[in-house]
Amino acid sequence: DAGVIQSPRHEVTEMGQEVTLRCKPISGHNSLFWYRQTMMRGLELLIYFNNNVPIDDSGMPEDRFSAKMPNASFSTLKIQPSEPRDSAVYFCASSPSGLAGGETQYFGPGTRLLVL
Amino acid sequence: SQQGEEDPQALSIQEGENATMNCSYKTSINNLQWYRQNSGRGLVHLILIRSNEREKHSGRLRVTLDTSKKSSSLLITASRAADTASYFCATDAGNNNDMRFGAGTRLTVKP
Repeated sequence: DAGVIQSPRHEVTEMGQEVTLRCKPISGHNSLFWYRQTMMRGLELLIYFNNNVPIDDSGMPEDRFSAKMPNASFSTLKIQPSEPRDSAVYFCASSPSGLAGGETQYFGPGTRLLVL
Repeated sequence: SQQGEEDPQALSIQEGENATMNCSYKTSINNLQWYRQNSGRGLVHLILIRSNEREKHSGRLRVTLDTSKKSSSLLITASRAADTASYFCATDAGNNNDMRFGAGTRLTVKP
């Protein structure tokens, strides 16, 4: 299994531009998570989906952030417009069933975003 | 928002020594997990301990959980340079997979 796949691995953009991050979870996994990691705030859960439905988006910082999961094998996290303070590493993770607690989450390699 | 709080923030030891990292959390939990992150990589699951367990072992890893003190510890025995990484605890409190991660402990093992 290829594991969780994220693209791009690195993204450099200018303030005000739209940024789209992509994630392919492990096949057969029903839960998908988006995290943001910075030195100042650590690892923050932004949103998670179960069976393609958003369950908790309370971690999404503001309306500039949106996430979708149109099918079981693909999710996007979009920032529009981007700001320098959005610079961070964004991780996608998936887990087998979800809504059960105590499951291992499998993380992708992350997308390192720099907004100039 | 973060739930766990790791201590110390950074730890530097010699190869062969044991490394102990602690995690404290605020609310009651169902499970606590420890993850490892190598620089520039995603997190990798190490071990899970449930709220009704007090201790678990996996290879050179030993995890304890004290729910009365709302704390957990991760012990790595006979450390190796390859153990150099950041270690995070993560807790979940409900019936879903909504885990909250701590700030992590940065472990450096010198050869």
